[in-house]
Amino acid sequence: KNQVEQSPQSLIILEGKNCTLQCNYTVSPFSNLRWYKQDTGRGPVSLTIMTFSENTKSNGRYTATLDADTKQSSLHITASQLSDSASYICVVSGTTSGTYKYIFGTGTRLKVLA
Amino acid sequence: DTEVTQTPKHLVMGMTNKKSLKCEQHMGHRAMYWYKQKAKKPPELMFVYSYEKLSINESVPSRFSPECPNSSLLNLHLHALQPEDSALYLCASSQDRNTGELFFGEGSRLTVL
Repeated sequence: KNQVEQSPQSLIILEGKNCTLQCNYTVSPFSNLRWYKQDTGRGPVSLTIMTFSENTKSNGRYTATLDADTKQSSLHITASQLSDSASYICVVSGTTSGTYKYIFGTGTRLKVLA
Repeated sequence: DTEVTQTPKHLVMGMTNKKSLKCEQHMGHRAMYWYKQKAKKPPELMFVYSYEKLSINESVPSRFSPECPNSSLLNLHLHALQPEDSALYLCASSQDRNTGELFFGEGSRLTVL
């Protein structure tokens, strides 16, 4: 059972619009949560990292939120640009079956149209 | 620019070939990882090295053979691969096994004919 679920699976928006991506997780105990951006055929690049005590963190036009009680995170992209077209992956760190692991979400594929 | 360097960027090989993927990092990280990623799927963990010792092998077929010559280098030796092994192979590193951000390389795109 995948412990990190992302929605929507894919999203198409017009340039300049805002969008919000969701990540729900069941990993416990939880260590931290990261959002990565991955351009097609390239390695993931970190956008934000959030620990248990953090609610909001911004990186330019990207703002991540974390609700550790409901085990939900969101990534909000403001004033989208064509270069934002990519896959966005939520990665939760925690202990599963007694081993510390990075658990990857299924990703959201975002396409920004001119 | 990524601080994890992978070579080659692209590799095409036949099923009888022997080739290697290489990964290098100079951030002083003590944990290094190999991931396999198929199109439109998240990366899947293959191997983890911690302090140059194999820590995790996610039941990867023996035609994939990892090697960690030193704390900065990680290799993946390939032999007798199948066409379904075609994928993007990502190397990553972190400060150690139980903490730190994962830093990814740009990946090696492997095609098996």
